[in-house]
Amino acid sequence: GAGVSQSPSNKVTEKGKDVELRCDPISGHTALYWYRQSLGQGLEFLIYFQGNSAPDKSGLPSDRFSAERTGGSVSTLTIQRTQQEDSAVYLCASSLQDRGVLKNTGELFFGEGSRLTVL
Amino acid sequence: AQKITQTQPGMFVQEKEAVTLDCTYDTSDQSYGLFWYKQPSSGEMIFLIYQGSYDEQNATEGRYSLNFQKARKSANLVISASQLGDSAMYFCAMRVAGGFKTIFGAGTRLFVKA
Repeated sequence: GAGVSQSPSNKVTEKGKDVELRCDPISGHTALYWYRQSLGQGLEFLIYFQGNSAPDKSGLPSDRFSAERTGGSVSTLTIQRTQQEDSAVYLCASSLQDRGVLKNTGELFFGEGSRLTVL
Repeated sequence: AQKITQTQPGMFVQEKEAVTLDCTYDTSDQSYGLFWYKQPSSGEMIFLIYQGSYDEQNATEGRYSLNFQKARKSANLVISASQLGDSAMYFCAMRVAGGFKTIFGAGTRLFVKA
Protein backbone atom coordinates (compact mmCIF):
# COMPACT_ATOMS: atom_id res chain seq x y z
CA GLY A 1 0.00 0.00 0.00
CA ALA A 2 0.90 3.62 -0.29
CA GLY A 3 0.92 4.37 3.42
CA VAL A 4 1.45 2.75 6.80
CA SER A 5 -1.33 0.32 7.53
CA GLN A 6 -2.39 -0.69 11.03
CA SER A 7 -4.89 -3.24 12.19
CA PRO A 8 -7.20 -3.51 13.93
CA SER A 9 -8.33 0.10 13.96
CA ASN A 10 -10.31 -0.56 17.12
CA LYS A 11 -9.95 -3.31 19.68
CA VAL A 12 -12.02 -3.81 22.82
CA THR A 13 -10.81 -6.51 25.15
CA GLU A 14 -11.30 -7.72 28.67
CA LYS A 15 -8.71 -7.23 31.35
CA GLY A 16 -6.25 -10.11 31.42
CA LYS A 17 -6.58 -11.04 27.76
CA ASP A 18 -3.70 -10.85 25.26
CA VAL A 19 -3.87 -8.58 22.21
CA GLU A 20 -1.85 -8.30 19.02
CA LEU A 21 -1.59 -5.13 16.99
CA ARG A 22 -0.21 -5.21 13.49
CA CYS A 23 1.71 -2.65 11.45
CA ASP A 24 2.57 -2.84 7.77
CA PRO A 25 5.08 -0.07 6.98
CA ILE A 26 5.72 1.72 3.73
CA SER A 27 7.61 -0.55 1.38
CA GLY A 28 11.35 0.12 1.53
CA HIS A 29 11.29 1.95 4.83
CA THR A 30 14.01 0.52 7.04
CA ALA A 31 12.91 2.07 10.32
CA LEU A 32 9.73 1.21 12.20
CA TYR A 33 8.47 2.73 15.44
CA TRP A 34 5.70 1.99 17.90
CA TYR A 35 4.33 4.79 20.06
CA ARG A 36 1.51 4.93 22.59
CA GLN A 37 -0.76 7.93 22.93
CA SER A 38 -3.15 8.15 25.84
CA LEU A 39 -6.18 10.42 25.52
CA GLY A 40 -5.09 14.02 24.99
CA GLN A 41 -1.47 13.21 25.73
CA GLY A 42 1.80 13.16 23.84
CA LEU A 43 3.47 10.26 22.11
CA GLU A 44 5.23 7.80 24.36
CA PHE A 45 8.04 5.94 22.61
CA LEU A 46 7.76 2.17 22.94
CA ILE A 47 10.13 0.40 20.54
CA TYR A 48 12.17 1.06 17.43
CA PHE A 49 13.40 -1.28 14.70
CA GLN A 50 16.14 -0.29 12.24
CA GLY A 51 16.99 -2.75 9.50
CA ASN A 52 18.58 -5.90 10.86
CA SER A 53 19.90 -4.26 14.01
CA ALA A 54 18.73 -5.22 17.47
CA PRO A 55 15.60 -3.24 18.31
CA ASP A 56 15.63 -0.40 20.82
CA LYS A 57 13.18 -1.66 23.44
CA SER A 58 13.93 1.02 25.99
CA GLY A 59 10.40 2.42 25.95
CA LEU A 60 8.45 -0.75 26.63
CA PRO A 61 6.63 -0.10 29.94
CA SER A 62 6.70 -3.66 31.25
CA ASP A 63 7.54 -7.22 30.30
CA ARG A 64 3.91 -7.68 29.26
CA PHE A 65 4.79 -5.72 26.12
CA SER A 66 6.78 -7.20 23.27
CA ALA A 67 7.19 -6.58 19.57
CA GLU A 68 8.73 -8.26 16.62
CA ARG A 69 9.39 -7.37 13.04
CA THR A 70 9.50 -10.21 10.58
CA GLY A 71 11.56 -10.01 7.41
CA GLY A 72 12.27 -6.35 7.98
CA SER A 73 8.70 -5.46 7.12
CA VAL A 74 5.53 -6.20 9.08
CA SER A 75 5.62 -5.67 12.83
CA THR A 76 3.41 -7.03 15.59
CA LEU A 77 3.06 -5.44 19.02
CA THR A 78 1.81 -7.91 21.63
CA ILE A 79 0.39 -6.97 24.99
CA GLN A 80 -0.09 -9.86 27.37
CA ARG A 81 -2.50 -9.90 30.31
CA THR A 82 -3.89 -6.49 29.40
CA GLN A 83 -4.65 -3.96 32.12
CA GLN A 84 -7.00 -0.99 32.02
CA GLU A 85 -4.06 1.41 31.97
CA ASP A 86 -3.03 -0.12 28.64
CA SER A 87 -6.03 1.60 27.04
CA ALA A 88 -4.64 4.04 24.47
CA VAL A 89 -4.06 4.58 20.78
CA TYR A 90 -1.04 2.66 19.55
CA LEU A 91 0.62 4.40 16.64
CA CYS A 92 3.04 2.83 14.23
CA ALA A 93 5.36 4.88 12.04
CA SER A 94 7.96 4.07 9.45
CA SER A 95 10.82 6.07 8.04
CA LEU A 96 13.58 5.94 5.46
CA GLN A 97 16.71 6.48 7.50
CA ASP A 98 20.42 6.04 7.18
CA ARG A 99 22.78 5.37 10.05
CA GLY A 100 25.61 7.73 10.79
CA VAL A 101 25.09 11.13 9.29
CA LEU A 102 21.58 12.45 8.93
CA LYS A 103 21.39 12.37 5.14
CA ASN A 104 17.73 13.07 4.82
CA THR A 105 14.97 14.48 6.92
CA GLY A 106 13.88 11.04 8.02
CA GLU A 107 10.41 12.22 8.86
CA LEU A 108 8.03 9.65 10.20
CA PHE A 109 5.03 8.43 8.27
CA PHE A 110 2.31 7.37 10.65
CA GLY A 111 -0.50 4.89 10.41
CA GLU A 112 -3.97 5.78 11.62
CA GLY A 113 -3.42 3.94 14.87
CA SER A 114 -5.04 1.10 16.74
CA ARG A 115 -7.36 2.22 19.52
CA LEU A 116 -7.22 -0.27 22.37
CA THR A 117 -9.86 -0.29 25.11
CA VAL A 118 -9.40 -2.63 28.03
CA LEU A 119 -12.56 -3.15 30.05
CA ALA B 1 19.50 11.81 27.71
CA GLN B 2 17.50 13.52 25.02
CA LYS B 3 14.43 15.48 25.95
CA ILE B 4 11.85 17.69 24.24
CA THR B 5 9.92 20.29 26.21
CA GLN B 6 6.78 22.07 25.09
CA THR B 7 5.61 24.37 27.85
CA GLN B 8 2.35 25.60 26.33
CA PRO B 9 -0.46 23.08 26.85
CA GLY B 10 -2.88 25.31 24.94
CA MET B 11 -2.72 28.41 22.77
CA PHE B 12 -5.36 30.68 21.26
CA VAL B 13 -4.85 32.77 18.14
CA GLN B 14 -7.14 34.95 16.09
CA GLU B 15 -7.71 33.89 12.52
CA LYS B 16 -5.21 35.53 10.09
CA GLU B 17 -2.75 36.33 12.86
CA ALA B 18 0.63 34.68 13.40
CA VAL B 19 1.35 32.38 16.33
CA THR B 20 4.53 30.92 17.80
CA LEU B 21 4.59 27.50 19.44
CA ASP B 22 7.55 26.96 21.74
CA CYS B 23 9.89 23.98 21.79
CA THR B 24 13.15 23.48 23.63
CA TYR B 25 15.31 20.41 23.44
CA ASP B 26 18.18 18.82 25.24
CA THR B 27 20.86 16.66 23.70
CA SER B 28 24.61 16.33 23.90
CA ASP B 29 24.83 15.20 20.29
CA GLN B 30 26.06 17.59 17.62
CA SER B 31 24.11 16.01 14.78
CA TYR B 32 20.36 15.92 15.18
CA GLY B 33 17.13 16.78 13.45
CA LEU B 34 14.12 18.65 14.71
CA PHE B 35 10.59 18.10 13.46
CA TRP B 36 7.12 19.50 13.90
CA TYR B 37 4.02 17.40 13.41
CA LYS B 38 0.36 18.35 13.39
CA GLN B 39 -2.38 16.11 14.76
CA PRO B 40 -5.93 17.26 13.92
CA SER B 41 -8.91 15.91 15.81
CA SER B 42 -9.09 13.09 13.27
CA GLY B 43 -5.95 11.68 14.89
CA GLU B 44 -3.64 11.46 11.88
CA MET B 45 -0.09 12.70 12.34
CA ILE B 46 1.07 15.09 9.64
CA PHE B 47 4.71 16.07 9.14
CA LEU B 48 5.08 19.85 8.80
CA ILE B 49 8.70 20.93 8.81
CA TYR B 50 12.28 19.78 9.46
CA GLN B 51 15.43 21.53 10.69
CA GLY B 52 18.83 19.90 10.70
CA SER B 53 21.29 20.88 13.38
CA TYR B 54 23.86 21.92 10.76
CA ASP B 55 21.42 23.91 8.66
CA GLU B 56 22.45 27.54 8.73
CA GLN B 57 19.12 28.93 7.67
CA ASN B 58 15.77 28.53 9.36
CA ALA B 59 13.49 26.06 7.62
CA THR B 60 10.34 27.32 5.93
CA GLU B 61 7.43 25.44 4.39
CA GLY B 62 4.64 27.64 3.14
CA ARG B 63 3.01 29.29 6.17
CA TYR B 64 5.24 27.34 8.55
CA SER B 65 8.68 28.46 9.61
CA LEU B 66 11.00 27.18 12.28
CA ASN B 67 12.81 29.68 14.46
CA PHE B 68 15.96 27.70 15.21
CA GLN B 69 18.22 29.09 17.93
CA LYS B 70 20.91 26.50 18.41
CA ALA B 71 22.71 28.13 21.32
CA ARG B 72 19.45 28.34 23.25
CA LYS B 73 18.40 24.86 22.08
CA SER B 74 15.05 26.10 20.91
CA ALA B 75 13.09 25.26 17.77
CA ASN B 76 9.90 27.27 17.83
CA LEU B 77 7.25 26.83 15.15
CA VAL B 78 5.79 29.97 13.64
CA ILE B 79 2.50 29.73 11.79
CA SER B 80 1.68 32.82 9.79
CA ALA B 81 -1.82 33.90 8.74
CA SER B 82 -3.58 31.33 10.92
CA GLN B 83 -6.55 29.52 9.46
CA LEU B 84 -9.40 27.74 11.20
CA GLY B 85 -8.02 24.47 9.85
CA ASP B 86 -4.84 25.02 11.84
CA SER B 87 -6.70 24.14 15.02
CA ALA B 88 -4.98 20.96 16.13
CA MET B 89 -2.39 19.45 18.43
CA TYR B 90 1.20 20.29 17.49
CA PHE B 91 4.16 18.13 18.48
CA CYS B 92 7.84 18.99 18.43
CA ALA B 93 10.17 16.02 17.93
CA MET B 94 13.88 15.29 17.79
CA ARG B 95 16.03 12.58 16.28
CA VAL B 96 19.75 12.20 16.88
CA ALA B 97 22.09 10.71 14.33
CA GLY B 98 23.59 8.03 16.52
CA GLY B 99 20.55 6.40 18.02
CA PHE B 100 18.00 7.48 15.45
CA LYS B 101 15.20 7.22 17.94
CA THR B 102 12.66 10.01 17.47
CA ILE B 103 11.21 11.42 20.67
CA PHE B 104 8.27 13.77 21.04
CA GLY B 105 7.27 16.59 23.31
CA ALA B 106 3.96 16.65 25.17
CA GLY B 107 2.34 18.80 22.51
CA THR B 108 0.55 22.14 22.30
CA ARG B 109 -3.11 22.39 21.45
CA LEU B 110 -3.78 25.35 19.17
CA PHE B 111 -7.21 26.92 18.91
CA VAL B 112 -7.82 29.34 16.03
CA LYS B 113 -10.70 31.75 16.66
CA ALA B 114 -12.83 33.17 13.88
